Amino acid sequence: RKEVEQDPGPFNVPEGATVAFNCTYSNSASQSFFWYRQDCRKEPKLLMSVYSSGNEDGRFTAQLNRASQYISLLIRDSKLSDSATYLCVVNDVGNQFYFGTGTSLTVIP
Amino acid sequence: DTEVTQTPKHLVMGMTNKKSLKCEQHMGHRAMYWYKQKAKKPPELMFVYSYEKLSINESVPSRFSPECPNSSLLNLHLHALQPEDSALYLCASGRAGSPGGEQFFGPGTRLTVL
Repeated sequence: RKEVEQDPGPFNVPEGATVAFNCTYSNSASQSFFWYRQDCRKEPKLLMSVYSSGNEDGRFTAQLNRASQYISLLIRDSKLSDSATYLCVVNDVGNQFYFGTGTSLTVIP
Repeated sequence: DTEVTQTPKHLVMGMTNKKSLKCEQHMGHRAMYWYKQKAKKPPELMFVYSYEKLSINESVPSRFSPECPNSSLLNLHLHALQPEDSALYLCASGRAGSPGGEQFFGPGTRLTVL
């Protein structure tokens, strides 16, 4: 069983739409959770850390459900520039990070 | 300064060559990572250094040899690579210890092995 699972998509949504991505993790002892964005042929860039209380940054909202072991990312009012691959990343004890397979998003004009 | 730098950006090498990839960060991070990424796949962990000591080696072939000369620098020495080793090699740094904080990635070295 994979440590982190994501729906690979692709998600193709019109501009202005709301889109949600989910990610599940297998280790209940996991401690830190993140969403990264990766553009084609570029490095992953940190989008948001995810906290139990949930956090919001403009059009982006991330939530963590420890009981069900899943993490979500909601993007409201999608922009063309949001087109990218979104990676769910989980940190277990120590310095080991586990990546989901990534979810591909294309925002269509 | 939240930047991780990597050199070179691109590298083409033959199977008999020896080359090195370099990574540098000045964020005071004491954990540094090497990842390998193939097209349309997530980054795959190769090595982790924590406080300049190798703490994780994900069963990487010996033709890849990491080195951490000091807390700001990380090298990956390459020797006798295979064409299937062609990939994007990403360096990252982050806070050491548990729980881990965010990782910051360098732009990567795109490696082609002929």
